[in-house]
Amino acid sequence: KNEVEQSPQNLTAQEGEFITINCSYSVGISALHWLQQHPGGGIVSLFMLSSGKKKHGRLIATINIQEKHSSLHITASHPRDSAVYICAVISNTGNQFYFGTGTSLTVIP
Amino acid sequence: DTGVSQDPRHKITKRGQNVTFRCDPISEHNRLYWYRQTLGQGPEFLTYFQNEAQLEKSRLLSDRFSAERPKGSFSTLEIQRTEQGDSAMYLCASSLGLFGETQYFGPGTRLLVL
Repeated sequence: KNEVEQSPQNLTAQEGEFITINCSYSVGISALHWLQQHPGGGIVSLFMLSSGKKKHGRLIATINIQEKHSSLHITASHPRDSAVYICAVISNTGNQFYFGTGTSLTVIP
Repeated sequence: DTGVSQDPRHKITKRGQNVTFRCDPISEHNRLYWYRQTLGQGPEFLTYFQNEAQLEKSRLLSDRFSAERPKGSFSTLEIQRTEQGDSAMYLCASSLGLFGETQYFGPGTRLLVL
């Protein structure tokens, strides 16, 4: 069983749609990251969360510590948002990293 | 460019050979991380350094793997007696200070073991 589960695994959306990617985890954490990986392999850190909600442009990330759940939302999706989105958590011992397998998003014009 | 850099970007080797990868973090970052990513999977944590000290090693890091960060700046990851299962993208990231802060990833080194 993976410590971090993401859903859906694959997602296709029409340009302009509101997108939600979910992440559930089973360990106690000190922080949760949302990462974006483009087809060329480069990884960009989008958010680091330990509570509440963060917003950056069209991206919104929320986390519910009690429910061990986080969501990444993309408003007004655009084809350039097409990428793999990865959820990663850092255990509250500070010593272990756990990654989800990613959600592959394709936004169609 | 002041981002994280990795060298080489690609490496093809025969089974049984040794390979070494280098990572140069962002200069003021004191934490450096190594990850491995296989096709279709998320990254897997391998090890991390706080300055020159290696503080954590994943159980994925077998005895054939060794990492160093001798002067607290660049780091090397060596794989001895490579196996086909070692074929993966090896990613390096760095961060400043507190655990859990934003990590900045390098472009990765793609290893293919024939």
